[in-house]
Amino acid sequence: AQSVTQPDARVTVSEGASLQLRCKYSSSVTPYLFWYVQYPRQGLQLLLKYYSGDPVVQGVNGFEAEFSKSNSSFHLRKASVHWSDSAVYFCAVSMGGGRALIFGTGTTVSVSP
Amino acid sequence: ETAVFQTPNYHVTQVGNEVSFNCKQTLGHDTMYWYKQDSKKLLKIMFSYNNKQLIVNETVPRRFSPQSSDKAHLNLRIKSVEPEDSAVYLCASSPGQYTEVFFGKGTRLTVV
Repeated sequence: AQSVTQPDARVTVSEGASLQLRCKYSSSVTPYLFWYVQYPRQGLQLLLKYYSGDPVVQGVNGFEAEFSKSNSSFHLRKASVHWSDSAVYFCAVSMGGGRALIFGTGTTVSVSP
Repeated sequence: ETAVFQTPNYHVTQVGNEVSFNCKQTLGHDTMYWYKQDSKKLLKIMFSYNNKQLIVNETVPRRFSPQSSDKAHLNLRIKSVEPEDSAVYLCASSPGQYTEVFFGKGTRLTVV
């Protein structure tokens, strides 16, 4: 069975600073990997996804993530955060074929002025 | 506009009542899901529904049941709500052979 660990429950960063959110997965084979963001009182929105190929994937709003098979990780990064990036970020995995996503516990990001 | 639409946005009810939430997707997807998000933001899959095949998370209490009239609709019924059912229920859909999942905005249930 797959599982996802997001070790940081809450991260606070200053506006303009860089951001890295950690995600580690457990799976017998390399799963499909995703990062979603949830703004207050909203559903989840896809930031980026990794299926195969280049381990660095670009997403929306300046986010990127790097897949590492050796570390079983899929960390999310942004070079310079804006106050509007304050939200909850979820890492998720799937084995594909329409199977449900398995989510991590989420990381709440607060961007201070 | 193509998306996943959920109604109602909020619902408050008393213990023991029956509730039903609606979900419609206009994305032409083959698979739909219901997720439960608790007060700590934890997301758990409840049901997956694809081509009339229902996959149930074994931890879901039997008072929960999905109802589908076609592949664009997947409603959720709770027969006799309990306080621990207070949560946000998120409906989602995905193309059959791919894995990207699209979410609705959720229905917040409060059981008093």
